[in-house]
Amino acid sequence: SAVISQKPSRDICQRGTSLTIQCQVDSQVTMMFWYRQQPGQSLTLIATANQGSEATYESGFVIDKFPISRPNLTFSTLTVSNMSPEDSSIYLCSVAVAGGGSTDTQYFGPGTRLTVL
Amino acid sequence: RKEVEQDPGPFNVPEGATVAFNCTYSNSASQSFFWYRQDCRKEPKLLMSVYSSGNEDGRFTAQLNRASQYISLLIRDSKLSDSATYLCVVDSNYQLIWGAGTKLIIKP
Repeated sequence: SAVISQKPSRDICQRGTSLTIQCQVDSQVTMMFWYRQQPGQSLTLIATANQGSEATYESGFVIDKFPISRPNLTFSTLTVSNMSPEDSSIYLCSVAVAGGGSTDTQYFGPGTRLTVL
Repeated sequence: RKEVEQDPGPFNVPEGATVAFNCTYSNSASQSFFWYRQDCRKEPKLLMSVYSSGNEDGRFTAQLNRASQYISLLIRDSKLSDSATYLCVVDSNYQLIWGAGTKLIIKP
């Protein structure tokens, strides 16, 4: 398993501003994932972040809106840019530990609860 | 049709009872299956992987039915602490697809 921390745990932001969420893992991992979860909904993958390369975004998510950094094997950031109330959600980072692949068991950080006014 | 479907519930079950719920998936080529548990306002946590031969961990049993394309989770002797949302996860095209979850409420 892995121990994952996220900062901030929650925030309330004004429309039009940006928020950067940090994710720290206690071990080196190849792949890190960023998810969004609306209340009562399933997790939606935003992007996969590999160290040393551009993040891979899922359909409906673009780099200009959700820029991601992955400077090393234990850390990643997700920025939610030019926020609107529709971006209010829980943002979760996760890592795949066992085989490190995109379909291996994933472990999650505690999430960042974002409210945009 | 969604790739992974779950009955949202809630399932209201008396303490000590046995409860089971299923999760259907659409991609017949899927190879990885998991059940995660998510408590209210918390992150998902792995409950168990689901193998072709099934998997049992204490009071929890997971089964895979490839012919009908569903996985199941059975909880025996349910405890109040089992109250949570149970998320089904299936791989499809090299990524994990998450169900919306089944809410379980265990009542004293």
